[in-house]
Order: sequence, then structure tokens, then C-alpha cells
Amino acid sequence: DAKTTQPTSMDCAEGRAANLPCNHSTISGNEYVYWYRQIHSQGPQYIIHGLKNNETNEMASLIITEDRKSSTLILPHATLRDTAVYYCIVRVMDGNNNNDMRFGAGTRLTVKP
Amino acid sequence: NAGVMQNPRHLVRRRGQEARLRCSPMKGHSHVYWYRQLPEEGLKFMVYLQKENIIDESGMPKERFSAEFPKEGPSILRIQQVVRGDSAAYFCASSPVLAGSDTQYFGPGTRLTVL
Repeated sequence: DAKTTQPTSMDCAEGRAANLPCNHSTISGNEYVYWYRQIHSQGPQYIIHGLKNNETNEMASLIITEDRKSSTLILPHATLRDTAVYYCIVRVMDGNNNNDMRFGAGTRLTVKP
Repeated sequence: NAGVMQNPRHLVRRRGQEARLRCSPMKGHSHVYWYRQLPEEGLKFMVYLQKENIIDESGMPKERFSAEFPKEGPSILRIQQVVRGDSAAYFCASSPVLAGSDTQYFGPGTRLTVL
């Protein structure tokens, strides 16, 4: 699986959009971009994933650059409960046996009032 | 639809004892993964199982650790003769069978403390 690079930490004001970047310059054509978050002491929570098109769900939007070498997770209106470590992961999703998720250090997002 | 369930949530063992961690996947999921998270570190993959089969155990220590996912019942991660370094949070995740739809969903974790 491709390596990802994320900033160690970020701050965001409550109510504003949080934009979390991720670089994955060695991503392969069949690798998806996944985002998870881990709120203190809890299990990782799935947020969103995509291949090359931008994706949106009730939690967030995922913007993937045209060359797929980087992406941005957008939380449109951050709340205090969005304070967490956010993990960007790239992996093949082909239903075969290579299914472990390679978690890096992630970005520690702190939403401030 | 209940999510991934893990129990116990907290487990305290003395050095040399055995620890058994249980994971019930989401309904309809037959793939289970175990991860370990040491304090202040990220999650590390341990093992991937399907019903009655270990598919990938490349992240599991060769000694004292074992995992199973029987035909009936939860997946079990067993740690024999625990040592203080085994103290960590152990997370289980599950995913469905369908190719192209194998997003992993995580349970709340079991926090193991070895005294």
C-alpha cells in the first residue's frame, strides 16, 4: 500500500470548515483513498473513501486531485466533537486477501470554541 | 443493525496469565481483522481471518499470540503468558464478503492492562 503524509496537527475554529490534507504521491491506479478518525480512546470510525472522483456523505467531503497524488478531507462545519486524530490511508480494495489497513500517525485535529 | 462488538472492554491480567479477547462482527460480515494500538501510537495490523481460516497473520507475534474465528461464535484473540509489553488497546474490525465493498468497521476495543 502507498505511503501517506499528513500534517501532525491542525486547529480549526468551531463552525468553520476543517480541511485536512493528505499526500499520497506513490498511489497506484487501483488504490483507494480512505479516511478514518479516532476520537480519544474509541475505535476508529470510518468517514469516507474514494478512487478518483470527489465524494460526499453526511459526515464529510473528499476531494481528490486529478493526478490522485493528494487529497483533502473537508468537514464543512466543524464541531467540538470532531476533535480527533484523522487517518488517511490508501489501499487496494479488490475483495482479495490484502486487506489490512496501514495506519500512520494521522493528523490530530483540535476544534476550538 | 448492531456494530462490531468487543468484550470485555477492559481486561486486567497479571504477568503470566492468559488473556482472551472476543469480537463479534457486524451482521452479514464474515471477515475479521485484529489490530493493536500501543499507548500514543497508531494502529498496527495483526491478523486477518475469515470463518475457520486465518488468511494473513503477518502482523502477529510468532509466540504467545493466536487467533481464531470459528464457524459459530465470535472471533477470539488469545494471548498466553502475558507480559507488561502486551498492555495496549486491541481493536477488531469486520468487513463484508462482497468484492469492491470491503470497508472495515471497527469495534470499541478491549483495553488490556498487564500488572
